[in-house]
Amino acid sequence: QKEVEQNSGPLSVPEGAIASLNCTYSDRGSQSFFWYRQYSGKSPELIMSIYSNGDKEDGRFTAQLNKASQYVSLLIRDSQPSDSATYLCAVKGGGKFYFGSGTKLNVKP
Amino acid sequence: GAVVSQHPSWVICKSGTSVKIECRSLDFQATTMFWYRQFPKQSLMLMATSNEGSKATYEQGVEKDKFLINHASLTLSTLTVTSAHPEDSSFYICSAGGTIHTDTQYFGPGTRLTVL
Repeated sequence: QKEVEQNSGPLSVPEGAIASLNCTYSDRGSQSFFWYRQYSGKSPELIMSIYSNGDKEDGRFTAQLNKASQYVSLLIRDSQPSDSATYLCAVKGGGKFYFGSGTKLNVKP
Repeated sequence: GAVVSQHPSWVICKSGTSVKIECRSLDFQATTMFWYRQFPKQSLMLMATSNEGSKATYEQGVEKDKFLINHASLTLSTLTVTSAHPEDSSFYICSAGGTIHTDTQYFGPGTRLTVL
């Protein structure tokens, strides 16, 4: 059973701060990693994908991957109240996507 | 690009009836579509994977005779919940990955099903 673990939160940060979201996975052979954002009552939307060790930046978002530690993270700089949502980590393996349970982020004005 | 639509967005039905949900990839060809179910405050649960022109692969514990999936074309997959019961009430979300977007899946907006 491939597992993806996330802290359920909620993670509370003040507006303008950096939010750090973490994810670990069990399948060492995984090659593709994704972060999705899900607002309450809505479907997930893709934020970033990452495939290689290191950092990948896209605007205020930075994904970090460490395959040796089987660890993926998402940093959100200059957090805004509109970033308040549940963030899902997903790992692809065997043609399927395995999702963590999500971390709820609250950004306080 | 990579837009996926679902219809209907919400549906209310009586217990014992069947409900069909459509999932369409609007601007790409979806060779693979996934169907998920999400209960309140829980994560996504993969129900089945469908590839165009072949039978769907169901996850363990998902009744294939109750949740009928058809992926007849590269832009359309349907999920039919047969003989729906109140415990089938949930948020059903499809996602699609295509010939170009082979390593990423894009989600439809979801369908909220309420069975009375």
